[in-house]
Amino acid sequence: GENVEQHPSTLSVQEGDSAVIKCTYSDSASNYFPWYKQELGKGPQLIIDIRSNVGEKKDQRIAVTLNKTAKHFSLHITETQPEDSAVYFCAASGGTALIFGKGTTLSVSS
Amino acid sequence: DSGVTQTPKHLITATGQRVTLRCSPRSGDLSVYWYQQSLDQGLQFLIQYYNGEERAKGNILERFSAQQFPDLHSELNLSSLELGDSALYFCASSVGGQGGNTGELFFGEGSRLTVL
Repeated sequence: GENVEQHPSTLSVQEGDSAVIKCTYSDSASNYFPWYKQELGKGPQLIIDIRSNVGEKKDQRIAVTLNKTAKHFSLHITETQPEDSAVYFCAASGGTALIFGKGTTLSVSS
Repeated sequence: DSGVTQTPKHLITATGQRVTLRCSPRSGDLSVYWYQQSLDQGLQFLIQYYNGEERAKGNILERFSAQQFPDLHSELNLSSLELGDSALYFCASSVGGQGGNTGELFFGEGSRLTVL
């Protein structure tokens, strides 16, 4: 089955800096790669996703890139703000349930 | 508010006991997923139901079982509880999930289980 590795497990940045989180997946049949943000005491919430026919997708300050050949995808957050502090999860799916990475705790200090 | 409702929010019980967690999906969503979140394991997929039928199984223990009822709500039953079962259990729902990609999952706020 699918296995998703996520790095780093923790990331601390200064407000205004960029943050990058990287994931790799194992199943070459996977074709859907979402990113979820989990704030304290809440369930994860989708922030951006990308499908395998697209190499990059942007939504304001966040972007995701996908390299299908290398089987890795990344989340980029620019101009980070304190409210970006949360746990971020990448995930992959090839037609069944979403398999998540172990998460990255992002801390943005002002 | 995601529209997914989970009860109870908190549950404390003893080893060897059995508990039932309940989930009501968003209106119109046919798929329900159960995930276990612990500190060192992230979000572990347990099981998926689509319109009452089991669709996919993940790392679900034999002591755990689930079902989805005709009104589409789902229950996760955890029996012979062990200390290591203490975790946050999330339910999520989606419109799709019969085949193809799941699309966006909408998560509830979770049920925190503590086994003493």
